[in-house]
Formats: sequence, structure tokens, C-alpha cells
Amino acid sequence: DSGVTQTPKHLITATGQRVTLRCSPRSGDLSVYWYQQSLDQGLQFLIQYYNGEERAKGNILERFSAQQFPDLHSELNLSSLELGDSALYFCASSPRGLAGRTGELFFGEGSRLTVL
Amino acid sequence: GQQVMQIPQYQHVQEGEDFTTYCNSSTTLSNIQWYKQRPGGHPVFLIQLVKSGEVKKQKRLTFQFGEAKKNSSLHITATQTTDVGTYFCAGRDSWGKLQFGAGTQVVVTP
Repeated sequence: DSGVTQTPKHLITATGQRVTLRCSPRSGDLSVYWYQQSLDQGLQFLIQYYNGEERAKGNILERFSAQQFPDLHSELNLSSLELGDSALYFCASSPRGLAGRTGELFFGEGSRLTVL
Repeated sequence: GQQVMQIPQYQHVQEGEDFTTYCNSSTTLSNIQWYKQRPGGHPVFLIQLVKSGEVKKQKRLTFQFGEAKKNSSLHITATQTTDVGTYFCAGRDSWGKLQFGAGTQVVVTP
């Protein structure tokens, strides 16, 4: 158990719909990262938050947005869903998020999104 | 931008054999991390290398960071069925950004 909690574990929805994925980081971790993993693919970095503020942005579509709340949990919002958005979405947390610092990532178990 | 490449993409290994997976970055890294993702699971941190030429061992796993801090390798000896999974390297650049490689998927045949 990494200490990172993601909900829901599974989600099935239709094209054009909107979903919200939730992540609770490990206690005390200030950084939250979101990754997308399509079938048999690598980890595509979407976005990182540090203590409530956006820290880094990766290949995140305009239809996707995220935020980190004062209690440090984060939500990833996916809208106007397309078939190609079907993937495993991982959240990870880390105790450090500043440039030049090091820190391992603790991954949640992921939210599997299926768009039909 | 920074790119991290891993080879091979797939590795079929006979149980008991050794193999190596390689990670190469287009830019100099401040450190590199390795993760393992079991089938159906989530990535789990294995190790972090920081110093040029650093070598670290974890039982049958040997991790190495290149002298130029642009490449790394993971060598597994006497492969076991428990080694099945995908191994990812992740390089952190001087700005703190962590970039994952595409991973090496390891299949072990008994």
C-alpha cells in the first residue's frame, strides 16, 4: 500500500461525457502528479501540482483540467470524452516538488477509464 | 525537450538467465530513478541514482548511472518468474522535471 488513494478504481462512460478522478496523496506529501497509461504504453505525464499550485505541465489536452485543493487532494477532470481517452490514469505523490530537489514518486493503484 | 529512451521495449528471458535493460537521455540528468510495474499493478519505486558512475545493488538487481549522467542500466541476474513486469526508468533534469521512459516489458519463461 503506497498510501496514495485514487477513486474510482473503474469507470465506464460514453463519448462526450465528463468525468472526475480523485486522488488523495500520502499524508504530508505536497506534490501530486497525474499520468496517463494507455494499453501496453508508457507513462505519459499530464500535470503536476505542488501545495495547491500548478508546477509543471506535460501532454495534457485542453479538454482535461486538474486542480489541487487546500487539503492537498487533487482532481483530474476529463471532458468531451473520446474513445482514445480510455486508459489507466495514475496519480502519484512526492514529498518534494521544487526544481532541483529529488524525491521518489508513490503511485496510487490507478483509475481505469473506459469510454464506449 | 528532454527525452528518455529505453531499450529493449520487450525482453523475453528464460528463467535463470541474465538480462540488461538500458535507459538513455538526450540531456544530462540530475538523477535517475527506476520503477517496476507488475502486470495489473502500479509503478513501484525501486531505486534512485544521483552520482556519476554510481552503482547500486539490490539482491539480483544491479543499477548503474553513466559517467556522463545521460544513461543508466538495470541488470538482473538469474531471472526468476517474480521478475515479470515492466521496468521504467525516469530521468530528472536540472529543472526538476521527471521524464519516464517507455519501459521494458519483461516476460520470463520457466
